[in-house]
Amino acid sequence: QVQLVQSGAEVREPGASVRVSCKASGYSFTTYVITWVRQAPGQGLEWMGWISVYNGNTNYAQKLQDRVTMTTDTSTSTAYMEMRSLRADDTAVYYCARGHISYTTSSCFDSWGQGTLVTVSS
Amino acid sequence: EIVLTQSPGTLSLSSGERATLSCRASQSVMKFLAWYQQKPGQAPRLVIYDASSRATGIPDRFSGSGSGTDFTLTISKLQPEDFAVYFCQQYSSSPRTFGQGTKVEVK
Repeated sequence: QVQLVQSGAEVREPGASVRVSCKASGYSFTTYVITWVRQAPGQGLEWMGWISVYNGNTNYAQKLQDRVTMTTDTSTSTAYMEMRSLRADDTAVYYCARGHISYTTSSCFDSWGQGTLVTVSS
Repeated sequence: EIVLTQSPGTLSLSSGERATLSCRASQSVMKFLAWYQQKPGQAPRLVIYDASSRATGIPDRFSGSGSGTDFTLTISKLQPEDFAVYFCQQYSSSPRTFGQGTKVEVK
């Protein structure tokens, strides 16, 4: 079955960077999009962007595009999300999720990682 | 950016009752709307995609309808495991956006 397993919780000081990993299994990693969504404590869901694993294209939310980079390592079926210049309001649970339909970015998200809590605090 | 507005914010119902959740888009998203269920401490789970198609493993008491700007998620007879927060999400255009959520709670 499809599984996305994310790295563990992180604590960072303001201004630092963090990289969250998302290891995929149970499907052909290179044929789907991986998207990243975050959720601040007690809040709703915020789409951060996606990476098309099959062609490497990325699309980031405008408010984050200067600070976020999404990459993949197809040799280990792992996606990464790096965020720089962290602020207190970046404190959130970060989720990776797989696109529902292969070879397209125009789909919803049918399998999700368990989430990674990133806490930004001095 | 397409804004999705969900109503009501909270729905207080009993097991066995019917739940009707609404999601309205600020402009047409055609059929490209999904619903997710989220329980405390868990990741969201896809319930409905393409406005009316049930995701794998979702029981048939869940149904979705609508197109364009107005969408509805209906749970015909609430089961104890259905009490959760439900989010709608559009994938018609970028950026992808989510509604703010409707909490279905035990009355």
